[in-house]
Amino acid sequence: GEDVEQSLFLSVREGDSSVINCTYTDSSSTYLYWYKQEPGAGLQLLTYIFSNMDMKQDQRLTVLLNKKDKHLSLRIADTQTGDSAIYFCALKGGTALIFGKGTTLSVSS
Amino acid sequence: NAGVTQTPKFQVLKTGQSMTLQCAQDMNHNSMYWYRQDPGMGLRLIYYSASEGTTDKGEVPNGYNVSRLNKREFSLRLESAAPSQTSVYFCASTIGQQETQYFGPGTRLLVL
Repeated sequence: GEDVEQSLFLSVREGDSSVINCTYTDSSSTYLYWYKQEPGAGLQLLTYIFSNMDMKQDQRLTVLLNKKDKHLSLRIADTQTGDSAIYFCALKGGTALIFGKGTTLSVSS
Repeated sequence: NAGVTQTPKFQVLKTGQSMTLQCAQDMNHNSMYWYRQDPGMGLRLIYYSASEGTTDKGEVPNGYNVSRLNKREFSLRLESAAPSQTSVYFCASTIGQQETQYFGPGTRLLVL
């Protein structure tokens, strides 16, 4: 079955760029997603990328997709303390989404 | 629109007790899902419903049952709660070609 891997923790200083990485095993998903979870809340869709795209930019967010290496990344420019959260990558696996275990981003001022 | 709502927000049960977690969405979505989230495990799919009247097992269905009462509501039942079911439970629904999932705020369940 599909396997989605993420590093568990990332710590950055305010104003720096953050890069969260994700690797996956099955490349048949049409869309690939990034979700954000703030403490005590549900998951919120941040952005998604269509599988035939290499890059998508949305304000401070840049998503890069390398289908050959089955690698997805999320770059957050000018990271702020409000960006501290857990970030999940997800792909469509059958009829439901398969989520990575999440990367906890800690931003220090 | 309220989006996806879940009740209760918090619950403490004793081992062997039963309870039903409620989920409702007002976005006219066809597909609905129940996940559990445990530390270091990410989200794991318990059950899903692709449309009204259908339900299917996900990755971790044991100890749970579901009912898709109508298009809006999808409930999750624990018949005999066990400490291993201590978790945060999220309901989600899906719309569109991109299959964006919208999540509820979660139910935090503690089984003693």
